[in-house]
Amino acid sequence: GAVVSQHPSWVICKSGTSVKIECRSLDFQATTMFWYRQFPKQSLMLMATSNEGSKATYEQGVEKDKFLINHASLTLSTLTVTSAHPEDSSFYICSARSLGGSSYNEQFFGPGTRLTVL
Amino acid sequence: GDSVTQMEGPVTLSEEAFLTINCTYTATGYPSLFWYVQYPGEGLQLLLKATKADDKGSNKGFEATYRKETTSFHLEKGSVQVSDSAVYFCALREGGSNYKLTFGKGTLLTVNP
Repeated sequence: GAVVSQHPSWVICKSGTSVKIECRSLDFQATTMFWYRQFPKQSLMLMATSNEGSKATYEQGVEKDKFLINHASLTLSTLTVTSAHPEDSSFYICSARSLGGSSYNEQFFGPGTRLTVL
Repeated sequence: GDSVTQMEGPVTLSEEAFLTINCTYTATGYPSLFWYVQYPGEGLQLLLKATKADDKGSNKGFEATYRKETTSFHLEKGSVQVSDSAVYFCALREGGSNYKLTFGKGTLLTVNP
């Protein structure tokens, strides 16, 4: 149980286009999901906290108009990278917070999405 | 702010060798501490955790003890296997209603047969 999926697993796009990444909790409901960015050989950096039915909370230095987050249901959050540029190329990872049973408050991570902007 | 420092890799060991990956942290309160593992092509998985000082987390032969006096949470395993090859992340979460995780940079472990 407690599986989180991401789609797509990798995407290549042209500079100036927008890309949407989906994060789904497959077998549990998640009122809170998190979006991270990971650079090569670097730590995961939290970008924003996504709350179902309300606006996302962005970390300092993250442009909310650049990285649009929507958490429209208890099992789906989306991250849209708008007007992508090569410097947005990275590995994006989501996680979902479980509220159930022995895994209460534990974050379950998706496998990540590799974005390459040409 | 909170931070986590873990030993830089990569770490390469032979099968059945002893493993230690050092992790120290800086936090203002009383955080919970975690080790996550990321196998190739997969998402991060929780390996073990400890929520208060002197707690020992353990799973799959791995252990780590929450040491408040040295602000450390070193990961150990007595005999590693090839299947343990992965990237290991140390992380902390502040107490209260803050659910944010702060991660170290990760340590790549390669175990050779």
